[in-house]
Amino acid sequence: GESVGLHLPTLSVQEGDNSIINCAYSNSASDYFIWYKQESGKGPQFIIDIRSNMDKRQGQRVTVLLNKTVKHLSLQIAATQPGDSAVYFCAENKNNQGGKLIFGQGTELSVKP
Amino acid sequence: DTGVSQDPRHKITKRGQNVTFRCDPISEHNRLYWYRQTLGQGPEFLTYFQNEAQLEKSRLLSDRFSAERPKGSFSTLEIQRTEQGDSAMYLCASSWGLGPNQPQHFGDGTRLSIL
Repeated sequence: GESVGLHLPTLSVQEGDNSIINCAYSNSASDYFIWYKQESGKGPQFIIDIRSNMDKRQGQRVTVLLNKTVKHLSLQIAATQPGDSAVYFCAENKNNQGGKLIFGQGTELSVKP
Repeated sequence: DTGVSQDPRHKITKRGQNVTFRCDPISEHNRLYWYRQTLGQGPEFLTYFQNEAQLEKSRLLSDRFSAERPKGSFSTLEIQRTEQGDSAMYLCASSWGLGPNQPQHFGDGTRLSIL
């Protein structure tokens, strides 16, 4: 079935290193992708989005890469900080399905000082 | 704070009782969404509104669930005759625009526990 999934459930990195969180999606009709950060007890926090007509987008310390050929999405966090520790979700939207976002299971990022 | 606001933050109730949650979206946002999230999982879509019109409902939204957005501003989600399986975090999100490809901004949710 259609799904958005993450390759790794947990990721542990050293403070100051770069982090890469990966996501696979199965539906080539998806045309919009979002990364969220969720801390314990809080709602998902928007990080960055990308549309299917782009393959890269940069924000502050974050970069999202989209590879439509292999249906792969990644989030790169530069100079990871302890405050980046959280669960990260990718989500997709298909234009013919209104506003519904389909989320993956999530990757827990742990930053060691 | 001008973000999405949800009330209450926590709700504990006995099985069979009715519960109602409220969501106040970001003021200029015309779209409002409800999701449900269980431990260790990503949020699952329940329903969404554009202004006061409910445009889509998930099959997860059984007959016991009803959502309203009567004036196109705040929204309520009611669960009747609650069951153990309803225990979850209920998240509300809002966005602006007529097209679907706009970032949705989430509130901190209402955590429902069924005894």
